[in-house]
Amino acid sequence: NAGVMQNPRHLVRRRGQEARLRCSPMKGHSHVYWYRQLPEEGLKFMVYLQKENIIDESGMPKERFSAEFPKEGPSILRIQQVVRGDSAAYFCASSPPIGTGSRYEQYFGPGTRLTVT
Amino acid sequence: AQSVAQPEDQVNVAEGNPLTVKCTYSVSGNPYLFWYVQYPNRGLQFLLKYITGDNLVKGSYGFEAEFNKSQTSFHLKKPSALVSDSALYFCAVNSGAGSYQLTFGKGTKLSVIP
Repeated sequence: NAGVMQNPRHLVRRRGQEARLRCSPMKGHSHVYWYRQLPEEGLKFMVYLQKENIIDESGMPKERFSAEFPKEGPSILRIQQVVRGDSAAYFCASSPPIGTGSRYEQYFGPGTRLTVT
Repeated sequence: AQSVAQPEDQVNVAEGNPLTVKCTYSVSGNPYLFWYVQYPNRGLQFLLKYITGDNLVKGSYGFEAEFNKSQTSFHLKKPSALVSDSALYFCAVNSGAGSYQLTFGKGTKLSVIP
């Protein structure tokens, strides 16, 4: 059973470019979360999505950041007009559907390390 | 708002000795508590969780954690440390009140010395 997949693993963008980060949840999981980890920091919640719905985006910056989880395909975290401060590791996690005993367990992907030059 | 504190940035322990990594939390309502481990340039691996029931929970790789409601703590423990346990450990909390976001501590770097 494949785990959470993220790609690319490393992404380099120049200031002003767009970054697209992809996440495929574990098989059978219908909930996706995005977190950001700055150097020497813990993970900070960004957004929680189910298929075709954003459930909680309270951790998302107001501008330049967006996320989606379409009916088909991976979840995408999109950062427009990147700045140096966006350099971080971005982690995706997934969890099983509501009603399962493991509902509160989140399983993390390997992360995408974004470097803005 | 929920928060997690890991008071030690680094913990050093000799191989074979018991280890403890501390975590305290603040949350309104009943806490759902988690420990994750992160190896260099890797994602987080789930170790164990406390949702309800026994205060002592056992997890992967011989780790366990004790939930103490009066002290609002959830310390991670292992009776005998291995060099391969050296990694970054994160404690996390969820209020269980509908939003499923996890709030993480800043992490504790564990070094097990041979």
